[in-house]
Amino acid sequence: DTAVSQTPKYLVTQMGNDKSIKCEQNLGHDTMYWYKQDSKKFLKIMFSYNNKELIINETVPNRFSPKSPDKAHLNLHINSLELGDSAVYFCASSLPGQSYGYTFGSGTRLTVV
Amino acid sequence: GDSVVQTEGQVLPSEGDSLIVNCSYETTQYPSLFWYVQYPGEGPQLHLKAMKANDKGRNKGFEAMYRKETTSFHLEKDSVQESDSAVYFCALSEGSSASKIIFGSGTRLSIRP
Repeated sequence: DTAVSQTPKYLVTQMGNDKSIKCEQNLGHDTMYWYKQDSKKFLKIMFSYNNKELIINETVPNRFSPKSPDKAHLNLHINSLELGDSAVYFCASSLPGQSYGYTFGSGTRLTVV
Repeated sequence: GDSVVQTEGQVLPSEGDSLIVNCSYETTQYPSLFWYVQYPGEGPQLHLKAMKANDKGRNKGFEAMYRKETTSFHLEKDSVQESDSAVYFCALSEGSSASKIIFGSGTRLSIRP
């Protein structure tokens, strides 16, 4: 199946831990994104990579570090997790340009306890 | 900066009712406009889009007209069905090469049988 796939789907961890979320797309898209969805369903962009190059870095704490080993993968590493990091994190990909829209993964629900 | 405003957090029509979900936007660019739909446990999916003023996006009986003079992109349907229940996000993609999508706060559509 062609898709954007994220792992894990659920992640429960203690405050202060470090965790990673992985994302892969087989759609041949050049651009990938990380979005955060809070408990009120608000979606906010965090990062965007185009062909392994960081092009968008919204005001995200530097505890969050994206890494794109190739244009089909975009991982998100989070250091020193805090309670406020609890959210659903979505990976997405798109063709270049404003008119194509995104294809989203199914999300990773992160719960920090 | 660019923004998208959805005034209704939730709408509760009965099956067979007509529907309008309001969306207004603010930008200095020439955006593309989108409606995304999100079902429980899934990522947002592109529902319909319009690329320029006076374009109309259509999908599964839903329509939205890109109105530049009123900076609006309201989602409409003549007769809603229970299967339409979901969260709907209005969004814009600004005119830069980064193709960042900015989402509204979402409207939960709950259809009463």
